[in-house]
Amino acid sequence: AQSVTQPDIHITVSEGASLELRCNYSYGATPYLFWYVQSPGQGLQLLLKYFSGDTLVQGIKGFEAEFKRSQSSFNLRKPSVHWSDAAEYFCAVGASTDKLIFGTGTRLQVFP
Amino acid sequence: DAMVIQNPRYQVTQFGKPVTLSCSQTLNHNVMYWYQQKSSQAPKLLFHYYDKDFNNEADTPDNFQSRRPNTSFCFLDIRSPGLGDAAMYLCATSSWEGLDIQYFGAGTRLSVL
Repeated sequence: AQSVTQPDIHITVSEGASLELRCNYSYGATPYLFWYVQSPGQGLQLLLKYFSGDTLVQGIKGFEAEFKRSQSSFNLRKPSVHWSDAAEYFCAVGASTDKLIFGTGTRLQVFP
Repeated sequence: DAMVIQNPRYQVTQFGKPVTLSCSQTLNHNVMYWYQQKSSQAPKLLFHYYDKDFNNEADTPDNFQSRRPNTSFCFLDIRSPGLGDAAMYLCATSSWEGLDIQYFGAGTRLSVL
């Protein structure tokens, strides 16, 4: 069965520090992969997506993610975190023609 | 210039009292989705419309219904809300019934008293 695992429930970093949020997936074919961000009380906003091609994907707000087929991973990175990046981050994998499967999310806290 | 608009943002209802949540979109997208998101959990797909074709998830309770009178609007009806239905309800749209980007509204937080 298709699944997405985000091993880190909660991460705390200092402002200006680098960030990596982990995402592992289980899927029988080449997946479509997404990272969404959710600020408190808000809907989800797409940060970036991977469909095919270059395995290093650039997104909005300075985020990037790298697809590693051998590790079944799609980790999200940012070289320098800003206080406004504090939010919940969801990794998602395309499971069929009409459905996304989301991970359980990683809550990011940023200290000044 | 909000593209997916959900109303109301906060809804309080009583146990067993029917409630309707609204979603509208200005993107002219063919597909509209309803998700349920409970605290600290991932969004869970309830159902979606591709144009007027309704697609229900197998584990969506019968208590949840949906209507899509036209391309722009979609409604989520909860016929008899229980305490366990308190959650954030997210509407999303995409331009085609495939793995296209989904655009989310800000959500409606439902409380059941």
